[in-house]
Amino acid sequence: EAGVTQFPSHSVIEKGQTVTLRCDPISGHDNLYWYRRVMGKEIKFLLHFVKESKQDESGMPNNRFLAERTGGTYSTLKVQPAELEDSGVYFCASSLPGQAQYFGPGTRLLVL
Amino acid sequence: QQQVKQSPQSLIVQKGGISIINCAYENTAFDYFPWYQQFPGKGPALLIAIRPDVSEKKEGRFTISFNKSAKQFSLHIMDSQPGDSATYFCAASKKTGANNLFFGTGTRLTVIP
Repeated sequence: EAGVTQFPSHSVIEKGQTVTLRCDPISGHDNLYWYRRVMGKEIKFLLHFVKESKQDESGMPNNRFLAERTGGTYSTLKVQPAELEDSGVYFCASSLPGQAQYFGPGTRLLVL
Repeated sequence: QQQVKQSPQSLIVQKGGISIINCAYENTAFDYFPWYQQFPGKGPALLIAIRPDVSEKKEGRFTISFNKSAKQFSLHIMDSQPGDSATYFCAASKKTGANNLFFGTGTRLTVIP
């Protein structure tokens, strides 16, 4: 069974540009989560989808971040315009209801 | 405000020794406490998890000890091996696997041959 996949694995952009991250959850997992780890700090929750609906987006830092999950399958996280403090590793995780979360390998974003 | 505090930040252990990582939390609504293991270039992988109705859970060389009254839990790695060298994260959530996780800052473990 394929795990959670994320694309791209790395992204280097300039301040002010737009970046879109993609996450493909494990097939059949209705729950999809986005997290971010800024260097040296804890992994922080961004938001949670149940199918195509946003269940909890309390962790989204500001309105420069937009997450979508059209059709309830893969999800995208767009940052527009990117700022220096957006640099970090963005993780996606998925789960079945009431079950453990499985994480993808992450996208390493560097904003210059 | 960090909801789960983890220590130490880094740990060096000799092969065959015991590695101990500690975490503490404040929110009594937490009722699921997983540990994740992360190797370089990979995502965090669930290692072992515990709920507060038990004080200890053991899986192979990995044991979670849980102290509900002190709001602390720890990971013990017995007979540590070089292959255990990784970053370990403790976490907590309010509902088993169905809600967002609050993570500690991670512990980088190095096991010396």
